Amino acid sequence: GQQVMQIPQYQHVQEGEDFTTYCNSSTTLSNIQWYKQRPGGHPVFLIQLVKSGEVKKQKRLTFQFGEAKKNSSLHITATQTTDVGTYFCAGGGNKLTFGTGTQLKVEL
Amino acid sequence: EAQVTQNPRYLITVTGKKLTVTCSQNMNHEYMSWYRQDPGLGLRQIYYSMNVEVTDKGDVPEGYKVSRKEKRNFPLILESPSPNQTSLYFCASSLSGQAISGANVLTFGAGSRLTVL
Repeated sequence: GQQVMQIPQYQHVQEGEDFTTYCNSSTTLSNIQWYKQRPGGHPVFLIQLVKSGEVKKQKRLTFQFGEAKKNSSLHITATQTTDVGTYFCAGGGNKLTFGTGTQLKVEL
Repeated sequence: EAQVTQNPRYLITVTGKKLTVTCSQNMNHEYMSWYRQDPGLGLRQIYYSMNVEVTDKGDVPEGYKVSRKEKRNFPLILESPSPNQTSLYFCASSLSGQAISGANVLTFGAGSRLTVL
């Protein structure tokens, strides 16, 4: 079945540093979604990418969908303590498969 | 307020004692799904439902049952819980299960933390 892997599993940064998480699928994806889960919370939708090579930005967050539609990345510029949490990608057609998640910790 | 409501939020039970985790959504969503979250494994799908009376197995369905008799409700049943079902469970819903124009964007419930002794 479809597998979606994310790296790294954990990332510890100093506030102000950049952060990137990568998502790789074993199969071509029709779209990719990104979710954020704050500590003790539930996943919350951030964004969806549909087109090959698509890039979208939300303030300090940049999302990219690979040309082959098998990988994606989320880059955060100048992290803040409010960015703390676990970031999940999810891809697929009618059945979303979630990645393993990247847990981000931000130190002052 | 548009939301997915799960109950109970926390539960400690013993092996073999049947339990049900309820899930209800007020957004008239067709698609509903259950996930379990375990450290290092991400979110794994247990069962999903494309619409009323239509359910299907996800990636880890063993030991679980579901039903979808009404559009708004999608309970998760553990007939004979075992310790390996200790986990954090999330119910989620979306307008549709189809990957069309964002219709499959999921809204999650707050989660139910289950411990089986």
